[in-house]
Amino acid sequence: QKEVEQNSGPLSVPEGAIASLNCTYSDRGSQSFFWYRQYSGKSPELIMFIYSNGDKEDGRFTAQLNKASQYVSLLIRDSQPSDSATYLCAGPSGGSYIPTFGRGTSLIVHP
Amino acid sequence: DAGVIQSPRHEVTEMGQEVTLRCKPISGHNSLFWYRQTMMRGLELLIYFNNNVPIDDSGMPEDRFSAKMPNASFSTLKIQPSEPRDSAVYFCASSGTGGNQPQHFGDGTRLSIL
Repeated sequence: QKEVEQNSGPLSVPEGAIASLNCTYSDRGSQSFFWYRQYSGKSPELIMFIYSNGDKEDGRFTAQLNKASQYVSLLIRDSQPSDSATYLCAGPSGGSYIPTFGRGTSLIVHP
Repeated sequence: DAGVIQSPRHEVTEMGQEVTLRCKPISGHNSLFWYRQTMMRGLELLIYFNNNVPIDDSGMPEDRFSAKMPNASFSTLKIQPSEPRDSAVYFCASSGTGGNQPQHFGDGTRLSIL
């Protein structure tokens, strides 16, 4: 079992809606998490990182970390077709500070 | 600032041939990572270096794979001999030293072994 788990999707939302992407992790010692966006045929691009419990907002993106429940979420408000991509969650695991990547969730925003 | 630079972008070769992938990390970054991405297995960490020293190569699939980092600005990943199952996209990433540092990815090398 991977230590960082994501639902592969696809998650389909209409344009303008809120897209909610979730990630669970098994290492209770994990301190930091990263969200990457990967367009088809492109490399992963860092879009958000979060180190502490609670919410972190950046434009239309909000990352949420709940250490007690061991999950991290990414909310995308006012979703646009250009947000259609695979979103990868990454967090340290196994006692290492090197992030482990989830398999990614495919997001489709339809007009 | 220039990002992580990988070459070649695409490589098509016949099985049994030697393949060498190259990476130049972001200047000032002390950690370098090699990943392989496939539909079946997602993004897999093959090996990472810290200050040019290999720290963990447990992700390297077998002895046919080797990686070097002769200096802070250059790394190679070599496959010899190559096999069709090595076909994948290979990414190089770099980050600053210490925990909680995000990784920055190169554009990747799309490798096809015929």
